[in-house]
Amino acid sequence: DVKVTQSSRYLVKRTGEKVFLECVQDMDHENMFWYRQDPGLGLRLIYFSYDVKMKEKGDIPEGYSVSREKKERFSLILESASTNQTSMYLCASSQFESNQPQHFGDGTRLSIL
Amino acid sequence: GQNIDQPTEMTATEGAIVQINCTYQTSGFNGLFWYQQHAGEAPTFLSYNVLDGLEEKGRFSSFLSRSKGYSYLLLKELQMKDSASYLCAVPQFSGGYNKLIFGAGTRLAVHP
Repeated sequence: DVKVTQSSRYLVKRTGEKVFLECVQDMDHENMFWYRQDPGLGLRLIYFSYDVKMKEKGDIPEGYSVSREKKERFSLILESASTNQTSMYLCASSQFESNQPQHFGDGTRLSIL
Repeated sequence: GQNIDQPTEMTATEGAIVQINCTYQTSGFNGLFWYQQHAGEAPTFLSYNVLDGLEEKGRFSSFLSRSKGYSYLLLKELQMKDSASYLCAVPQFSGGYNKLIFGAGTRLAVHP
C-alpha cells in the first residue's frame, strides 16, 4: 500500500513565524501535491510538483512556498504565518498519468494564533 | 475552466440505498474520481470512471455520463460507518501537468 506521511497531525504556531510542513511518500510517485481544506470550500490546491526541484503554483499559492529536493519529500513553507492560514493541510502523491488516483496523508491541523 | 457541483448534505437510513450526484463542466475530460473522507481523516480513493456506464465495486457503484457531464455514486446496504463526506474530482491537464479539481463534497449522515 502507498504510504504518505505528514510530519505532524496537530501544530500550533504564532503569527509571523516561518512554518514548515513535511510530507514523505514511499511509492516513487512523480507527482506530489499540497492542499488546504476548509469547511464549505473543499480541497484547494496550493502547490504541486511533478519532479524533483520542479514546482507549479496551484489555485491559492499566495503566502506559501514549497521545496522538493528529493523525489520522496515535498515540503510546504509558510513564510510568515497569518491567522487566515489556520486550516487542515493535506499532502498527496500520485503517478504521473491522469487516470491514477492521488493518495493522501493523514493531514496536519495547523492553528496560527 | 472547471466547475463541479455536489449536494452539500444528505441523510439516509441504515440498510437503505443512497445516490450522491455530481455534475461537472470541464474544458477537456480525463475521467472522474470519487473519494471518501471520514471526519478528521484523509480522503481515500473509491472509484475512477472514464467510460460511460456503471462500475460496481461491492456495495459501492459509480456511474458516468460524459454527454451529460454527470456522475453518481451509489451506496447500497448502508452501514453506520458509511457516514462520511464523498468528494467528486476531475483531472485537469494543463501546461503538461495533471492536477485534480475537487468538488466541495457531500456530507452523508447514516441514521439507525
